[in-house]
Amino acid sequence: DVKVTQSSRYLVKRTGEKVFLECVQDMDHENMFWYRQDPGLGLRLIYFSYDVKMKEKGDIPEGYSVSREKKERFSLILESASTNQTSMYLCASSQGTGRPYNEQFFGPGTRLTVL
Amino acid sequence: AQSVSQHNHHVILSEAASLELGCNYSYGGTVNLFWYVQYPGQHLQLLLKYFSGDPLVKGIKGFEAEFIKSKFSFNLRKPSVQWSDTAEYFCAVNPYTGRRALTFGSGTRLQVQP
Repeated sequence: DVKVTQSSRYLVKRTGEKVFLECVQDMDHENMFWYRQDPGLGLRLIYFSYDVKMKEKGDIPEGYSVSREKKERFSLILESASTNQTSMYLCASSQGTGRPYNEQFFGPGTRLTVL
Repeated sequence: AQSVSQHNHHVILSEAASLELGCNYSYGGTVNLFWYVQYPGQHLQLLLKYFSGDPLVKGIKGFEAEFIKSKFSFNLRKPSVQWSDTAEYFCAVNPYTGRRALTFGSGTRLQVQP
């Protein structure tokens, strides 16, 4: 089974802090994704990466950056956390492009609160 | 831009009732379709998926979904719900264009009362 792990389940930070969220997958997947999940809005794509050091902006990249130095690890960075970034952050991975490789596998999520 | 609509935001059912959750998408080409479920306190997991072939797809835990291309719909069904089906359900679409990410609907919160 694919396993996607996230470094923290719950995180509390202060406004202006730099925040790192880490995600690791163990199935040699090409693609990794960061979403945020908010009530009534579903999942919205922040960034994704299709290879080491390669990244593309998703639908809501403002205020975020990412890093993928190794294939199995994908980090989301909040350069200066703000209260409107309080949310649940989900990491996902998928094997490749096209069916059936585009099925995504999700981590447990990190609930981030910015005070 | 492609979008996914889930019109039922919150559904409350009694055990043994039948369930149908709507999902419509806006993309006109070939698509791959997914339903994911998130049980309370758990991570998102795949319920079922449609890539091609028989438009009636069966998933885990007795769920099924029907792809109706002419209606751009992929509705989720279950003949008889259980209390353990209480969860949030998300429809997702991936156009068959090489786009790697999924586009998700806003989700439907299902509450099953014993």
